[in-house]
Amino acid sequence: KQEVTQIPAALSVPEGENLVLNCSFTDSAIYNLQWFRQDPGKGLTSLLLIQSSQREQTSGRLNASLDKSSGRSTLYIAASQPGDSATYLCAVIISNTGKLIFGQGTTLQVKP
Amino acid sequence: EPEVTQTPSHQVTQMGQEVILRCVPISNHLYFYWYRQILGQKVEFLVSFYNNEISEKSEIFDDQFSVERPDGSNFTLKIRSTKLEDSAMYFCASSEWGQGAETQYFGPGTRLLVL
Repeated sequence: KQEVTQIPAALSVPEGENLVLNCSFTDSAIYNLQWFRQDPGKGLTSLLLIQSSQREQTSGRLNASLDKSSGRSTLYIAASQPGDSATYLCAVIISNTGKLIFGQGTTLQVKP
Repeated sequence: EPEVTQTPSHQVTQMGQEVILRCVPISNHLYFYWYRQILGQKVEFLVSFYNNEISEKSEIFDDQFSVERPDGSNFTLKIRSTKLEDSAMYFCASSEWGQGAETQYFGPGTRLLVL
């Protein structure tokens, strides 16, 4: 059974710092991996999608990497800003029906 | 930019009552999903839907749950007889293509409280 784990559960950094969020999954047979952002009481905003054949994806200050063989993904946020404060969720798709399996999330606080 | 919308944003109901949660997926999307998030827990998959059929459902999605695309724009989740443990945030999502290869776009959610 696929399990997705995110470390750390919470992170607090000063503004401007570069940071890395970690995601691990137990079964390397995934279709793709998607990173989301969730603001308190809100829906999920898709940040990046990495196909299983890809190694990384970039969007602005965000860079996500994928090492399928080791069951790991990282989300790198450059020059963090207070507006980046949110919970970041990692999710893997394990079948062609699109079922997403989510991690617990990392709650990030960026202090001005 | 096109968005997934959901109504209502909040719903309070009595245990045993039926509720219908509504979603309007992005217009050219063909694949639809429901997820839920119990407070403080992970987001959980409920069901995926394509071509007017369920593609996959989770163990949570028992006979009390049903989904329907009643017209060309709406996608609904019905809970026939709500239980206290159904209290959660319910998210609808859609993707243009399926096969596990496409970004899923989520709606803002419906917060359901069962008393």
